[in-house]
Amino acid sequence: QKEVEQNSGPLSVPEGAIASLNCTYSDRGSQSFFWYRQYSGKSPELIMFIYSNGDKEDGRFTAQLNKASQYVSLLIRDSQPSDSATYLCAVKENAGGTSYGKLTFGQGTILTVHP
Amino acid sequence: GAGVSQTPSNKVTEKGKYVELRCDPISGHTALYWYRQSLGQGPEFLIYFQGTGAADDSGLPNDRFFAVRPEGSVSTLKIQRTERGDSAVYLCASSLIADSSQYFGPGTRLLVL
Repeated sequence: QKEVEQNSGPLSVPEGAIASLNCTYSDRGSQSFFWYRQYSGKSPELIMFIYSNGDKEDGRFTAQLNKASQYVSLLIRDSQPSDSATYLCAVKENAGGTSYGKLTFGQGTILTVHP
Repeated sequence: GAGVSQTPSNKVTEKGKYVELRCDPISGHTALYWYRQSLGQGPEFLIYFQGTGAADDSGLPNDRFFAVRPEGSVSTLKIQRTERGDSAVYLCASSLIADSSQYFGPGTRLLVL
């Protein structure tokens, strides 16, 4: 069974610090990786996606992918209390060399940014 | 533009009843997905449509669950003989094509008493 693992937390960081969220996946053939943010009682909101090894930056967010280690992470710089949420890592399967629709999610990491 | 919409936002039903949950995807999105999320867990895949056809229904837990998308736009998830274990938030997502990013609707919170 293909799995996506995240530390459930909670991860607590002070305002202005860097929050580091980690995710590992079991399917070595996975090609696409996504980070969603989910506020309590709301639906997941797409933050970033990454396909290639290395770093991808978007504002205060940086996604990092290491396919050899089957590891993907999300860094949030200058963390704000409004970043407090559950962060979900999701992996898209690869079937027959093409990316496939289904996403497999981790259980999410609860992040709390305290003033 | 308008995002994914889902109705109803909340549904309370009794064990054994039939329910229908509706999803209206982002206009022009050809792929539509249903997920189910229990408290403290990530969303769990149920079924995915490419156009009108179900491309993958491997996540449907049993034959009480069925979904349709007759015109390639709106989709309905149907649950027969509901059980208390079906209580969860049912999320719908859509994407432009199967290979692109998925955007979620607000979800339907189903409670089976």
